[in-house]
Amino acid sequence: KQEVTQIPAALSVPEGENLVLNCSFTDSAIYNLQWFRQDPGKGLTSLLLIQSSQREQTSGRLNASLDKSSGRSTLYIAASQPGDSATYLCAVDLAGTYKYIFGTGTRLKVLA
Amino acid sequence: GAGVSQSPRYKVAKRGQDVALRCDPISGHVSLFWYQQALGQGPEFLTYFQNEAQLDKSGLPSDRFFAERPEGSVSTLKIQRTQKEDSAVYLCASSEVRGGAPQHFGDGTRLSIL
Repeated sequence: KQEVTQIPAALSVPEGENLVLNCSFTDSAIYNLQWFRQDPGKGLTSLLLIQSSQREQTSGRLNASLDKSSGRSTLYIAASQPGDSATYLCAVDLAGTYKYIFGTGTRLKVLA
Repeated sequence: GAGVSQSPRYKVAKRGQDVALRCDPISGHVSLFWYQQALGQGPEFLTYFQNEAQLDKSGLPSDRFFAERPEGSVSTLKIQRTQKEDSAVYLCASSEVRGGAPQHFGDGTRLSIL
């Protein structure tokens, strides 16, 4: 059974810091890994999607890497801003399926 | 609109009542998903449609939960004889193809059962 773990569960940093969020999964036979942002009371906003054949994706200050063999992904946020404060979720789908298995998220707070 | 739309945004019901939650996916999206998100947890898969066909309902917690997508666009998630443990946020997502494309999520329906 695929299990997804995110560490840390919560993180508080001063503005301007670079930070790394971690996601690990137990079954490496994945098709996609997707990072999402969730603001309080809102749905999920897609940040980056990495297909199994890719090793990383970048969008602005965000960079996500994928090491399928070790079952790990990291989301790197450069020069953090208070507007980055949210819960960050990673999700994977097993090859041959379509449903996402989510981690429990990392609650990020960036202090001004 | 350009995104996935869900209604109502909030629903309060008494235990034992039936509720219906609506999802309007992005136009032209083939795949539609329902997820349940408990407080402080990640979303959990409920069911999946490809066009009007419900291909997987393995995540539905009981036979009180029923989903349909009769014309391959709008979907409704119905919960009969609601119970307190049904209180959660219900998220709908759609994607262009069966696999390999990102899922786009709505803002969800927050269901509270009193």
